[in-house]
Amino acid sequence: GENVEQHPSTLSVQEGDSAVIKCTYSDSASNYFPWYKQELGKRPQLIIDIRSNVGEKKDQRIAVTLNKTAKHFSLHITETQPEDSAVYFCAARLSGAGSYQLTFGKGTKLSVIP
Amino acid sequence: DTGVSQDPRHKITKRGQNVTFRCDPISEHNRLYWYRQTLGQGPEFLTYFQNEAQLEKSRLLSDRFSAERPKGSFSTLEIQRTEQGDSAMYLCASSLARGLALETQYFGPGTRLLVL
Repeated sequence: GENVEQHPSTLSVQEGDSAVIKCTYSDSASNYFPWYKQELGKRPQLIIDIRSNVGEKKDQRIAVTLNKTAKHFSLHITETQPEDSAVYFCAARLSGAGSYQLTFGKGTKLSVIP
Repeated sequence: DTGVSQDPRHKITKRGQNVTFRCDPISEHNRLYWYRQTLGQGPEFLTYFQNEAQLEKSRLLSDRFSAERPKGSFSTLEIQRTEQGDSAMYLCASSLARGLALETQYFGPGTRLLVL
């Protein structure tokens, strides 16, 4: 099955700085890579996703890059704000009919220091 | 609120008791997933439904766990003879699948289970 590794487990940045979270996956058949943000006591919320036919995707201060050859993808948050503080999870999904589960990394706790 | 809802939000039970959780997906979403999340970990897949059919089950889903989605709308997850190791957040997610297109999974707020 798929295995997703996520680093770092914790990350502290000063407000206004950038944050980068990296994930690797094991199965080259994975073709969908979402990122979820989970604030304390709340549900995971999708913040951005990328399909395997795309190398980079941006949405305002958030961007995700994908390197299929190396089997890794990264989340970039620029101009961080205190409200960006949360746990971020990367995930991967295998392609093919009948396999729709997401395999998640262990999460990165991001703290943005005002 | 038109998002995924789950009930109850919290459940405390004694070891050996049975518990049942309910998930109401986003209206018209045809896929429904159950995940389990323990402290400091990402969600782990348990099972999923396409309409009323349960199509995939994780090895994490022991025979004490059973899930149903009888009319292809809400779903229930039952844990029989609960153990302390079952303490976790149980998350439900739903998605609208159209053909082979990749769809977004939307999560509910979860049910936090504590087994004493």
